[in-house]
Amino acid sequence: SAVISQKPSRDICQRGTSLTIQCQVDSQVTMMFWYRQQPGQSLTLIATANQGSEATYESGFVIDKFPISRPNLTFSTLTVSNMSPEDSSIYLCSVVLYGGNTFGSGTRLTVV
Amino acid sequence: DQQVKQNSPSLSVQEGRISILNCDYTNSMFDYFLWYKKYPAEGPTFLISISSIKDKNEDGRFTVFLNKSAKHLSLHIVPSQPGDSAVYFCAASLTTSGTYKYIFGTGTRLKVLA
Repeated sequence: SAVISQKPSRDICQRGTSLTIQCQVDSQVTMMFWYRQQPGQSLTLIATANQGSEATYESGFVIDKFPISRPNLTFSTLTVSNMSPEDSSIYLCSVVLYGGNTFGSGTRLTVV
Repeated sequence: DQQVKQNSPSLSVQEGRISILNCDYTNSMFDYFLWYKKYPAEGPTFLISISSIKDKNEDGRFTVFLNKSAKHLSLHIVPSQPGDSAVYFCAASLTTSGTYKYIFGTGTRLKVLA
């Protein structure tokens, strides 16, 4: 399975600021995914990031709030913009290899 | 609308006994189901999967059962071990969409007591 390095592992941010989360994969993958897990909730897909094209966002998520970059086949970033306390969550990147998702260890974001 | 539901937020089982984790789904078009295990401060790790053309898949101590008519799947762990203590998520997908999107349940926290 792929090894995914995600950073930062956690951060505490002021409301109104932005945080960029990085995800590095040790294999070249076409699709990378960004999920959010709010407290007590399931993992929810934010967007699918394909290299060389615009990210595809799920209902309820917009590019202005969660801009994504995918400069190559092993790297992606997710930015949480203009943060509010409601954005406090765990953010995870993921790739699909051999039929199942492999996840990064997640970024625990707290917005104060 | 929660398409994948895990109605038991937690479960405690004695070491050596069977753990049964349940998952219900609402979309009859889902054709691929997975279970993930998550330890604190780590991302979920893939455990076992099942295609809708099967009703059972076994991998060592882990067996997943699928009841399509009831839209229900379950994960059996036998014998349970203390190292199995984790949060377990079920997930479902529609493989014909080609998008690899997975819909996750809210998770069940399993505690195996020594």
